[in-house]
Amino acid sequence: RKEVEQDPGPFNVPEGATVAFNCTYSNSASQSFFWYRQDCRKEPKLLMSVYSSGNEDGRFTAQLNRASQYISLLIRDSKLSDSATYLCVVNIGGRHQFYFGTGTSLTVIP
Amino acid sequence: GAGVSQTPSNKVTEKGKYVELRCDPISGHTALYWYRQSLGQGPEFLIYFQGTGAADDSGLPNDRFFAVRPEGSVSTLKIQRTERGDSAVYLCASSPYGVAEAFFGQGTRLTVV
Repeated sequence: RKEVEQDPGPFNVPEGATVAFNCTYSNSASQSFFWYRQDCRKEPKLLMSVYSSGNEDGRFTAQLNRASQYISLLIRDSKLSDSATYLCVVNIGGRHQFYFGTGTSLTVIP
Repeated sequence: GAGVSQTPSNKVTEKGKYVELRCDPISGHTALYWYRQSLGQGPEFLIYFQGTGAADDSGLPNDRFFAVRPEGSVSTLKIQRTERGDSAVYLCASSPYGVAEAFFGQGTRLTVV
């Protein structure tokens, strides 16, 4: 079983739409959670860390549900520039690797 | 430089050849990671260094793969007897300590023909 599972999409949404991605993780010892963004043929870049209380950064909101072992990312008022692959990333306590999901592809359409 | 630097950016090699991929992490970052990413997949962990030592090499697929970080800064990923299945983007990342966010280099696109 994979450590991190994501719906690969693709998600095609119009500009201005709200879109949500979910990600589940299998190891209850997971301690740190992140969303990374990866543009085509580019390296992954940190979008935001995910905290237990949930956190917001502008149009982006991340939530963590430890009981159900899932993480979500909500993007409001989608922009064309939001088109990318969004990677869910988990770090398991005591280990030093970051486990990546396969990524969810988002295309924002004019 | 300000970010993680990887060289070469692209490498085409013949099956059976030996290749070396270089990573220059962000200055002061003690943790260094190598990942491999195939098309349509997320990065797959290969090896993690804390300082000079390989703290976790559980992701290396077989003994053709080896990595070093002799002075705790620059790292080299070495692949012997390359196979076509080794073709992928090899990503290096560094972190100020093991569980903080990881900063990635732009990767080396390896193609084995």
